[in-house]
Amino acid sequence: SAVISQKPSRDICQRGTSLTIQCQVDSQVTMMFWYRQQPGQSLTLIATANQGSEATYESGFVIDKFPISRPNLTFSTLTVSNMSPEDSSIYLCSVGRGTGVRVTDTQYFGPGTRLTVL
Amino acid sequence: GDSVTQMEGPVTLSEEAFLTINCTYTATGYPSLFWYVQYPGEGLQLLLKATKADDKGSNKGFEATYRKETTSFHLEKGSVQVSDSAVYFCALNGRVSGGSNYKLTFGKGTLLTVNP
Repeated sequence: SAVISQKPSRDICQRGTSLTIQCQVDSQVTMMFWYRQQPGQSLTLIATANQGSEATYESGFVIDKFPISRPNLTFSTLTVSNMSPEDSSIYLCSVGRGTGVRVTDTQYFGPGTRLTVL
Repeated sequence: GDSVTQMEGPVTLSEEAFLTINCTYTATGYPSLFWYVQYPGEGLQLLLKATKADDKGSNKGFEATYRKETTSFHLEKGSVQVSDSAVYFCALNGRVSGGSNYKLTFGKGTLLTVNP
């Protein structure tokens, strides 16, 4: 498995501001992922963050709203920009093992960042 | 695309009762299947996994068998405890259409409450 930490663990923000969430892993990993979990809902993949390349975004998510950085193999950030109350969610990062994502790979999740936008 | 359908909740049981949470999936190819658990106020933890047909994943008294013929991965536990109260997510890791990567697709989650 992997030990994954996220900062902040929770935050309350004002509409129109931006928040950067950090994800730190205790070992080098190739694949890192960012998910959103809206209240009472399942997880939705926002983007895949590979070191040394641009993040790959899922349908419905754009770089201007959710810019991602991946400066090395143990760290990534997700920024939620120009926030509105609809962005209130739990944001989770996860990591996958191996040199690339394989069908048998397991994703391990961080504890999440609980964001409330007023 | 891939999809996961799991039993609607919430599910409320008494301690020591038998638990089944149904999960069925739609996917092309041969996905891997997972159950994750989310305890109140926490992130997701891997509960168990199975990577090929007829594999049985097990952990902490929970079991699930990968049934290709019925495209199912039902979660079972013979005797639940109050500490098992959590949200349970069924998920599959399947190939992204037209690509070489794989993507984790989740069900909607089932809230389990176990009463003493």
